[in-house]
Amino acid sequence: GAGVSQSPSNKVTEKGKDVELRCDPISGHTALYWYRQSLGQGLEFLIYFQGNSAPDKSGLPSDRFSAERTGGSVSTLTIQRTQQEDSAVYLCASSPGNSYNEQFFGPGTRLTVL
Amino acid sequence: DQQVKQNSPSLSVQEGRISILNCDYTNSMFDYFLWYKKYPAEGPTFLISISSIKDKNEDGRFTVFLNKSAKHLSLHIVPSQPGDSAVYFCAARGYNTDKLIFGTGTRLQVFP
Repeated sequence: GAGVSQSPSNKVTEKGKDVELRCDPISGHTALYWYRQSLGQGLEFLIYFQGNSAPDKSGLPSDRFSAERTGGSVSTLTIQRTQQEDSAVYLCASSPGNSYNEQFFGPGTRLTVL
Repeated sequence: DQQVKQNSPSLSVQEGRISILNCDYTNSMFDYFLWYKKYPAEGPTFLISISSIKDKNEDGRFTVFLNKSAKHLSLHIVPSQPGDSAVYFCAARGYNTDKLIFGTGTRLQVFP
């Protein structure tokens, strides 16, 4: 199928290390979102890309978090100097944009910071 | 400050009965509401949505009701089936943005 894919599916890292999480959105989708779900919590918005517009970074919890989207397709979420509280499932979603209401989610990357 | 709240972390319903999942919100500027369903180790999948200009939307066994004055919406599943067992998230979208604000989810268990 041509759904949203994310890699890796699981990532275990040591505190202080940097990690990169990848998202491949559905082909042709102009909007891409990153969320995270910590244990027992809902989905927390992190960042949103729409076409060539400047991304909405209002949900990034600290300057250790950054994301980019190359060529309007693949996105990478980078967490520098990871902390234990960064442990969560990181979910990527895409949508056709143009205020299309439904977002299509990938399976997520489970990040564990030891 | 939780703008979208799902106060029941879990719900257990017998197969064939009605499941009612509730969601409250605080921001009157939300203009669109969605329900997502999530199975373990999978991403959430879209279930049903409703615009703020409506008070009801129905799709098969699933109906969403919106009470704007109470800032409350609910998802009704009838009849409930064991395959409906999952975590259900309520989400809201503000006017002129595509960003979704999610609740903490309600785990529904449908038993035979």
